[in-house]
Amino acid sequence: EAGVTQFPSHSVIEKGQTVTLRCDPISGHDNLYWYRRVMGKEIKFLLHFVKESKQDESGMPNNRFLAERTGGTYSTLKVQPAELEDSGVYFCASSQVAEQYFGPGTRLTVT
Amino acid sequence: KNEVEQSPQNLTAQEGEFITINCSYSVGISALHWLQQHPGGGIVSLFMLSSGKKKHGRLIATINIQEKHSSLHITASHPRDSAVYICAVSINFGNEKLTFGTGTRLTIIP
Repeated sequence: EAGVTQFPSHSVIEKGQTVTLRCDPISGHDNLYWYRRVMGKEIKFLLHFVKESKQDESGMPNNRFLAERTGGTYSTLKVQPAELEDSGVYFCASSQVAEQYFGPGTRLTVT
Repeated sequence: KNEVEQSPQNLTAQEGEFITINCSYSVGISALHWLQQHPGGGIVSLFMLSSGKKKHGRLIATINIQEKHSSLHITASHPRDSAVYICAVSINFGNEKLTFGTGTRLTIIP
């Protein structure tokens, strides 16, 4: 069974540009979570999808971040325009019940 | 103050030593998770527990709900156990978003 995959693994962009991160959850997992770790800090929750619906987006930092989950399958997280403080590692996780399975993360560097 | 506190932040030990990593939390939880991240690697779930004790190979996780405290133990530690160990809690049934500790960086010296 394929695990959670994320693309790209690493992205370097300039301030003001747009970046789109993608997460493919484990097939059949209704729950999809986005998390972020910024340098030196603990991982923090961004948002939670149940199928295609946003269940909880209380962790989204501001309206420069837009998450979608098309048809309840893969999810994208777009940052537009990117700022320096958006640099970090973005993790996606999926679950069917409670145990979450994490993707390898996307390292985003904004210069 | 973070809702999930881990100690120690860094731990270096000799191969074979018994390792204990502690996690305290300040909120009511539905479950506590122990996660592992190897250098350059992804995050792997080791345990999810809401009471008592779980064991998997050389790893043991315990939780005391009354004291809001959990420990992760590694017996007969090995250099391949070197990783960051992260404690995380979920607070609500039905929305299992995780609140994370800062992690404990474990280094096992051969």
